[in-house]
Amino acid sequence: GAGVSQSPSNKVTEKGKDVELRCDPISGHTALYWYRQRLGQGLEFLIYFQGNSAPDKSGLPSDRFSAERTGESVSTLTIQRTQQEDSAVYLCASSLFGGMNTEAFFGQGTRLTVV
Amino acid sequence: ELKVEQNPLFLSMQEGKNYTIYCNYSTTSDRLYWYRQDPGKSLESLFVLLSNGAVKQEGRLMASLDTKARLSTLHITAAVHDLSATYFCAVGGGSNYKLTFGKGTLLTVNP
Repeated sequence: GAGVSQSPSNKVTEKGKDVELRCDPISGHTALYWYRQRLGQGLEFLIYFQGNSAPDKSGLPSDRFSAERTGESVSTLTIQRTQQEDSAVYLCASSLFGGMNTEAFFGQGTRLTVV
Repeated sequence: ELKVEQNPLFLSMQEGKNYTIYCNYSTTSDRLYWYRQDPGKSLESLFVLLSNGAVKQEGRLMASLDTKARLSTLHITAAVHDLSATYFCAVGGGSNYKLTFGKGTLLTVNP
């Protein structure tokens, strides 16, 4: 596609439910990143993929969070047993190569609200 | 741990005025990015600054980097309403791929 695509754009879920967020990177981009943006805050790094492996998962806030990537394409971020503090905008970015010496392009994000 | 601080966090200015947004970071880095975010939209890359003394300009925006002071500035000249948005600076850490973001500056340009 022309840009990074994320779905859904908005998700409201009940506390305790599981959610899956999807990211379609730009075709040919080997690197993929997930960030979280809480209201009024900057972006927090969650996880980085190079191809389908994740060399850095250090930003995942708890074991309720997991992510996977199929080849060099779609990635899903899964949050189990959602809590209210998980409410945020989840942003995905991709870049041609690993390393931020190549420009990263961001999707529009998924706004998650846990009620 | 790399920390990035932006100030001000909120900026309301009149059209035609000049102002500067500051971005301080806590550890050595030679890679700094400025992004713009409109409400409900993606982050748009504005500038990539890669070395000490780097200066880049695009329209009414000019960004600079002083790695010795660990400071970047985003200068706005003769502001117009279309510049209203949130501006983020982000710094590359030692591993390069992970960006640490400031909290953002919400800029409102009033007629």
